[in-house]
Amino acid sequence: AQSVTQLGSHVSVSEGALVLLRCNYSSSVPPYLFWYVQYPNQGLQLLLKYTTGATLVKGINGFEAEFKKSETSFHLTKPSAHMSDAAEYFCAVRTGGNNRLAFGKGNQVVVIP
Amino acid sequence: DSGVTQTPKHLITATGQRVTLRCSPRSGDLSVYWYQQSLDQGLQFLIQYYNGEERAKGNILERFSAQQFPDLHSELNLSSLELGDSALYFCASSRDRRNNQPQHFGDGTRLSIL
Repeated sequence: AQSVTQLGSHVSVSEGALVLLRCNYSSSVPPYLFWYVQYPNQGLQLLLKYTTGATLVKGINGFEAEFKKSETSFHLTKPSAHMSDAAEYFCAVRTGGNNRLAFGKGNQVVVIP
Repeated sequence: DSGVTQTPKHLITATGQRVTLRCSPRSGDLSVYWYQQSLDQGLQFLIQYYNGEERAKGNILERFSAQQFPDLHSELNLSSLELGDSALYFCASSRDRRNNQPQHFGDGTRLSIL
């Protein structure tokens, strides 16, 4: 079964510093990968997705992720953290048919002024 | 605004009771998914419907059931509630069943069992 690993439940980053959230997946089929963000008391909002094609994917709010098949990774980055980036971030992989998603445990990002 | 509407936003009830959570998908979306988010289990897929038919089941308890109606809205029914059922329940929708279709999430229903 497909699965996702996100290490480090809480990530602290200084305002203006690089944001790096790691995601490793396991999949027996070509993976479709997603990053979602969840702000307090809200649902999940799609940041970006990789299905096929270019391995460097750009998303909303200045985030991007690179699919590396050899490393089974899909790490999320943003060059300069903003206070508004404080939220929980989830990596997800398609699992099985019918577009079901398997989520990682999430990373709670805290931005330090 | 994702376009997915979930009601109610909060639900407080007691053990042994039954509740119904409602979801209206984005306009034109045929596929509806239900997820449970809890502190210990994280985000878990429960069940999926496509155009009124059940398509996939995940970690859904037998006490839980769902359906999708002809107007494409969906309901998740939780019965014989236990303390451990306290969680945030999300509904998501996508245009169809293809695997590259992103899922759009509602704001969730927070269920508290007392």
